[in-house]
Amino acid sequence: DAKTTQPNSMESNEEEPVHLPCNHSTISGTDYIHWYRQLPSQGPEYVIHGLTSNVNNRMASLAIAEDRKSSTLILHRATLRDAAVYYCILRSELPGYSTLTFGKGTMLLVSP
Amino acid sequence: DGGITQSPKYLFRKEGQNVTLSCEQNLNHDAMYWYRQDPGQGLRLIYYSQIVNDFQKGDIAEGYSVSREKKESFPLTVTSAQKNPTAFYLCASSIAGTGVRELFFGEGSRLTVL
Repeated sequence: DAKTTQPNSMESNEEEPVHLPCNHSTISGTDYIHWYRQLPSQGPEYVIHGLTSNVNNRMASLAIAEDRKSSTLILHRATLRDAAVYYCILRSELPGYSTLTFGKGTMLLVSP
Repeated sequence: DGGITQSPKYLFRKEGQNVTLSCEQNLNHDAMYWYRQDPGQGLRLIYYSQIVNDFQKGDIAEGYSVSREKKESFPLTVTSAQKNPTAFYLCASSIAGTGVRELFFGEGSRLTVL
């Protein structure tokens, strides 16, 4: 799977929007962009995924650059419970099996 | 409620002892995975299984063994050959096959070797 680059940490205030960036300059046409988050001492949980178009769900929005070399996870109003490590992951959906590779992610700190 | 159950949550063992971590899922998923996480690091894949009675090595399989005798269960044994077994172990499951497959994770087992 192609590699992603994320900042080590970011800070936000409660109830403000948060934009978490991810660079993936070597992304291929068949790579989906997945985001997971991991709260302290828990297993990761799925947040959102996309291929080319921007995506919205109840947890977040995913904005994908036109050239697909970067993407941004948007939390519209951060809460204290959003403090977690956020992982940006690419996975090919070509036939055959591929697993998810989790890098170090971005640690999001949310202040009251 | 459907989900993944890992046990025990915390485990202490002496050096040189084998340890088995349990992972059970009731999501009817064919694929199951074991990851290891060290402090401040990402997750590294140990083993995965796409179907009963079949499994493949991940990136760091040395010193670990698994079995997949039932669809619901994928236990991981940390053997004495694993040189640095103290870590947070995470089990996950997903539907198998091509297409976007969301991973569902358990709450993890924290192993400390004294």
